[in-house]
Amino acid sequence: EPEVTQTPSHQVTQMGQEVILRCVPISNHLYFYWYRQILGQKVEFLVSFYNNEISEKSEIFDDQFSVERPDGSNFTLKIRSTKLEDSAMYFCASRPGGHFSPLHFGNGTRLTVT
Amino acid sequence: KQEVTQIPAALSVPEGENLVLNCSFTDSAIYNLQWFRQDPGKGLTSLLLIQSSQREQTSGRLNASLDKSSGRSTLYIAASQPGDSATYLCAVRLLNSGGSNYKLTFGKGTLLTVNP
Repeated sequence: EPEVTQTPSHQVTQMGQEVILRCVPISNHLYFYWYRQILGQKVEFLVSFYNNEISEKSEIFDDQFSVERPDGSNFTLKIRSTKLEDSAMYFCASRPGGHFSPLHFGNGTRLTVT
Repeated sequence: KQEVTQIPAALSVPEGENLVLNCSFTDSAIYNLQWFRQDPGKGLTSLLLIQSSQREQTSGRLNASLDKSSGRSTLYIAASQPGDSATYLCAVRLLNSGGSNYKLTFGKGTLLTVNP
C-alpha cells in the first residue's frame, strides 16, 4: 500500500539554525498538510497546501515557517530560525481529491532543538 | 473553539477482553470523525472514518460509533490482543473545514495496554 514518507526520522539542530523537513506524499494525492505533536501534548494542525499555495494555516505557523512543493513529488516544511519550543514530532499528511477521503500520515520527523 | 476529550487517558486490560474507548467533542458541527492508532515514536495510522451522516463504521474487530448531537464517539475493540497495544487518537474535522482545508482537531489519546 502506498505510504507517505518523511525524512529524516530524527533531526537535531541548534537554536537559531534553519531546518528543512522533507515529505514525499502519496503520488496521486492532491492535498498536503503538516501537523506537529509536542511531547506529551495533542497533535496540532499547522498548515494545508493545495494547488501550489497555502489554503489554511494555524496561529502556530508564523513567519518562521514556510512550505514548498519544489517538484512533483516532494513537500517540505522549513523553519527559518529554530527555537527550543519548536522541538516536536512533525507529521506530513496527504489525501486524494474528494470530500470524503481520510488523511494519510507519515511516520514523522522528530525535531530536537538544543 | 472545538475541544476534543478522550477518556480514559490510559487503559490496561487482559488479552481477549472487549473494550470501549470514548471521545467527546464540544462543537457538533463536524464534517467527519476519524480514529487513529499511534505506536510509540511512529506516525498515525487511520483506523476508521465516520462521516457526519453515518452512525457507525466497522473494520474487522473495530467498531466506531458516532452520536453527533451529543458530541460523542466510541471505539469498540473486540477480543483484544497484545498487538492492539498503542495510543488511540480521535480527531474531528469541522463542518466549515471544506475542500482543501482539512483541519483536524485531535484529542490527547487513550494509551491502551493489552496484557498477554
